[in-house]
Amino acid sequence: QSGLTQPPSVSGAPGQRVTISCTGSNTNIGAGFAVHWYQLLPGTAPKVLIYGNSNRPSGVQDRFSGSKSGTSASLAITGLQAEDEAEYYCQSYDNSLRGHVVFGGGTKLTVL
Amino acid sequence: QVHLVQSGSELKKPGASVKVSCKASGYTFNNYAVNWVRQAPGQGLEWMGWINTDTGNPTYVQGFTGRFVFSLDTSVSTAYLQISSLKADDTAVYFCARDRGILDYAMDVWGQGTTVTVSS
Repeated sequence: QSGLTQPPSVSGAPGQRVTISCTGSNTNIGAGFAVHWYQLLPGTAPKVLIYGNSNRPSGVQDRFSGSKSGTSASLAITGLQAEDEAEYYCQSYDNSLRGHVVFGGGTKLTVL
Repeated sequence: QVHLVQSGSELKKPGASVKVSCKASGYTFNNYAVNWVRQAPGQGLEWMGWINTDTGNPTYVQGFTGRFVFSLDTSVSTAYLQISSLKADDTAVYFCARDRGILDYAMDVWGQGTTVTVSS
């Protein structure tokens, strides 16, 4: 599968801002397909943080924001809190081959 | 409230089969497709495919054909993932996730995951 590339890990101190990048290609993000972001905490169901590049579902704090440009997207988290320590995944759609959903490799966020 | 509740953890021997269930509640089941996603130990999320809950037509990604079967029982609003001829490599957490239905391929509701362990 054609995938999306994320950094394996990022870290920041409480209160700081971190960003997680998601790099794709012209068959997925660059082709105009939307990017979504999910948060995974151990033992819990994944949670959607961002839909459609930059839209937050109700109930998601405005500390989380998403953006997209060209073949890349990013998730920003401001005012880091200990509870933000989790894995984060970007997801889009790729129109190569027969078309398929693609995920990034995931980024582990550590709150120092 | 909208929920997807999956069946419990499974421990299976190589060569056996397993059937994971994903029961939906709080919405009209056949209005939203169900995706299946795998997370192997230490690995990221991997999309396995999806099933159209209106027609029952499944779509499998390369690498998840043959031994993997998506099915439905619409009378109980439940989707199933069956894996046959299990191998150690099938050890993973399997998630079901609802497609949110606006053609952007986002998954808005997820099950809690089912851990399948294949070991002799």
